[in-house]
Amino acid sequence: GENVEQHPSTLSVQEGDSAVIKCTYSDSASNYFPWYKQELGKRPQLIIDIRSNVGEKKDQRIAVTLNKTAKHFSLHITETQPEDSAVYFCAASMIPLEDYGQNFVFGPGTRLSVLP
Amino acid sequence: NAGVTQTPKFRVLKTGQSMTLLCAQDMNHEYMYWYRQDPGMGLRLIHYSVGEGTTAKGEVPDGYNVSRLKKQNFLLGLESAAPSQTSVYFCASSYLGDRPHEQYFGPGTRLTVT
Repeated sequence: GENVEQHPSTLSVQEGDSAVIKCTYSDSASNYFPWYKQELGKRPQLIIDIRSNVGEKKDQRIAVTLNKTAKHFSLHITETQPEDSAVYFCAASMIPLEDYGQNFVFGPGTRLSVLP
Repeated sequence: NAGVTQTPKFRVLKTGQSMTLLCAQDMNHEYMYWYRQDPGMGLRLIHYSVGEGTTAKGEVPDGYNVSRLKKQNFLLGLESAAPSQTSVYFCASSYLGDRPHEQYFGPGTRLTVT
């Protein structure tokens, strides 16, 4: 089955700097890669996602890049702000099949701290 | 829309006790999921359902049972709780469709088994 690794486990950056979180996956059949943000005591929420037919996607200060050959994808946050402090989870999945649902395999998470 | 809700928010059980966690969604989603979240291990899938009356095992199903008698509800049962089941439990739901869809999470249930 799919296995997702995520690095680093913790990351501290100064406000205004950039942060990069990297994930690798094992199943070449995976073709959908979402990133979820979880603030302390809150539920995970989708912040950006990318499909395997796209190499990069950007949404304001957040971007995700995908390298299918190397089977890794990364989250990039620019101009970090204190409210970016949270745990970030990457995940890998395949296009949902009616009989099998849409099962994500999540990485272990990265705790990002943005220092003022 | 309330989205995805979970009951209860907190619970303390003694070893061997049983309980049921309720997940409800009002978005008419076909898929529903139960995850557990433990420190340093991310979210791990316990059981899931692709529609009313259907359930399937996920990555860590042992010690849990589920039922989906109504499309909007997904129940997670612990028949005989063990300390290893101390965790935060999240329910999620998503659409059926021909493309990947966002999973919407509930607020979580913090369970402690002593």
